[in-house]
Amino acid sequence: DAKTTQPNSMESNEEEPVHLPCNHSTISGTDYIHWYRQLPSQGPEYVIHGLTSNVNNRMASLAIAEDRKSSTLILHRATLRDAAVYYCILREVGYGQNFVFGPGTRLSVLP
Amino acid sequence: GAVVSQHPSRVICKSGTSVKIECRSLDFQATTMFWYRQFPKQSLMLMATSNEGSKATYEQGVEKDKFLINHASLTLSTLTVTSAHPEDSSFYICSARNPRDSYNEQFFGPGTRLTVL
Repeated sequence: DAKTTQPNSMESNEEEPVHLPCNHSTISGTDYIHWYRQLPSQGPEYVIHGLTSNVNNRMASLAIAEDRKSSTLILHRATLRDAAVYYCILREVGYGQNFVFGPGTRLSVLP
Repeated sequence: GAVVSQHPSRVICKSGTSVKIECRSLDFQATTMFWYRQFPKQSLMLMATSNEGSKATYEQGVEKDKFLINHASLTLSTLTVTSAHPEDSSFYICSARNPRDSYNEQFFGPGTRLTVL
């Protein structure tokens, strides 16, 4: 799996948008970009994934750079419940490999 | 979305005893399940890949005789920590893949916190 780099930590104020960056300069053409998050003492939770086009779902939006070497997870209005570690992971579709977790970004949301 | 459960959610045991952790896929059949370990303030580390009906594949540095994995059915994989010691205290997380899912997404269990006294 190609490597990703994320900031170790970020802070946001409640009800403000949050942009979580991820760099993946060695991404291959068949790598999907996945985002998971892990709340304290819980297993990882799926957030969103995409290949080339920007994606939106009820939890977040994923903005993918045109060259696909970076992406940004966007939480439109952070809540206290969004405080978690966010992981950006690359994986080929259908390749049958597991997810390789980096250290992720620890997001703190301030009231 | 698909649901993966783990049991127990928390276990405390004495050093030298064995502990079994169950991972179940509740609404799909999982041919492949993964076991991860997570120490405090660290990321998830893959321990082994569990394939239904065959032997598990262990990551480098993980003792297969200490961490016994059984994937006897398409909805259940078990991890047994044998002769547990305090250094085995960790958060153990399983995940399962739904082969019918075209994206091969993994669904994670809620984790099991093991404390060895």
